[in-house]
Amino acid sequence: DQQVKQNSPSLSVQEGRISILNCDYTNSMFDYFLWYKKYPAEGPTFLISISSIKDKNEDGRFTVFLNKSAKHLSLHIVPSQPGDSAVYFCAAPSTGTYIYIFGTGTRLKVLA
Amino acid sequence: GAGVSQSPRYKVAKRGQDVALRCDPISGHVSLFWYQQALGQGPEFLTYFQNEAQLDKSGLPSDRFFAERPEGSVSTLKIQRTQQEDSAVYLCASSLQAGNSPLHFGNGTRLTVT
Repeated sequence: DQQVKQNSPSLSVQEGRISILNCDYTNSMFDYFLWYKKYPAEGPTFLISISSIKDKNEDGRFTVFLNKSAKHLSLHIVPSQPGDSAVYFCAAPSTGTYIYIFGTGTRLKVLA
Repeated sequence: GAGVSQSPRYKVAKRGQDVALRCDPISGHVSLFWYQQALGQGPEFLTYFQNEAQLDKSGLPSDRFFAERPEGSVSTLKIQRTQQEDSAVYLCASSLQAGNSPLHFGNGTRLTVT
């Protein structure tokens, strides 16, 4: 059973508009979440994180929102740029360990 | 170098051969992880080291997989008697400390078993 789920395998957005990538988790004990971006033939690159004591964390064009009651987090990119085209993974540490569980990823395509 | 370095970038092995994949973490990073990523999937945990101690190897798919980090820095993932299902990208990541700390990944080794 997947503990971290990204139900949208792909997303296309026009340049300049907002991209919203979603992630659901099943374990209410998770208390720290991360988003990674991955370009082809490269390793995942850390983008932004959020602790469960917050419901929002912002870094430039990237904002992550956490809804603990819904066990849902989302990554907003605004404005979207063609260079944001990549696969985005959300991740959370498995309960009681330091092992990060990753979702299956969402491929974002920003159209110029 | 500033980042996590993995070698080789690409490895082609005949079924039954042994392979060794190397990871050079960021200097000073205590934690080191190995992940396996199949096409179209997210990275899946294999094993975790804190310094030289292998604290968790629950993700290793079989006893053909072995990892070590003898001096708490460079790590090697060894796969014996490779099988076609071992074909994947093997990612190494390090972090400054255990706990709520981002993982920094290398570019991976793409293993193809023919």
